[in-house]
Amino acid sequence: GNSVTQMEGPVTLSEEAFLTINCTYTATGYPSLFWYVQYPGEGLQLLLKATKADDKGSNKGFEATYRKETTSFHLEKGSVQVSDSAVYFCALARGTSYGKLTFGQGTILTVHP
Amino acid sequence: DTAVSQTPKYLVTQMGNDKSIKCEQNLGHDTMYWYKQDSKKFLKIMFSYNNKELIINETVPNRFSPKSPDKAHLNLHINSLELGDSAVYFCASSRGGGGLNEKLFFGSGTQLSVL
Repeated sequence: GNSVTQMEGPVTLSEEAFLTINCTYTATGYPSLFWYVQYPGEGLQLLLKATKADDKGSNKGFEATYRKETTSFHLEKGSVQVSDSAVYFCALARGTSYGKLTFGQGTILTVHP
Repeated sequence: DTAVSQTPKYLVTQMGNDKSIKCEQNLGHDTMYWYKQDSKKFLKIMFSYNNKELIINETVPNRFSPKSPDKAHLNLHINSLELGDSAVYFCASSRGGGGLNEKLFFGSGTQLSVL
């Protein structure tokens, strides 16, 4: 079956530090890959996505590249801000999955001033 | 305007009780979902409805019964609540069937605590 594995958290960084959150997946065929973000007290929001190999998704300074050879979709940001503190979820969707996103376990990010 | 709204935000109740969580979306979407997030933040789909028709029913105890009176609403009723039901429940919606390119819109969650 499909699965998504994220790096264990929590991750604590100082403002302006470089961020990487690792994500690897297991799926047959060619899934679409997503990063969702959950800010404190809110629901999840789509951060970025990539639908085919070598695609790069980007939004709000965050980037992730769909690497089929390593089955990875690592999230990166060059300089984090306190406002980036949130829980980040990697997810995949296969075919007409009717929103049946398979989520990773979430990584808590805390950024200190 | 809140796109996907669910009520209540917090729900504290005793074991054995029956409770409901309501969800409404004003986005005109065809598909709605219920997800469960456990204490370790792990998120898993429970149900999906497309135009009031049940599409996904994961391995969820039949104490959980979703009801969709119209495509803008998907309520979740839980009978005989158990301690293990304590979690955050998220409602979500998508324009179509939530396939490869679909974006899901989530509500802010209902934190259920069963004592």
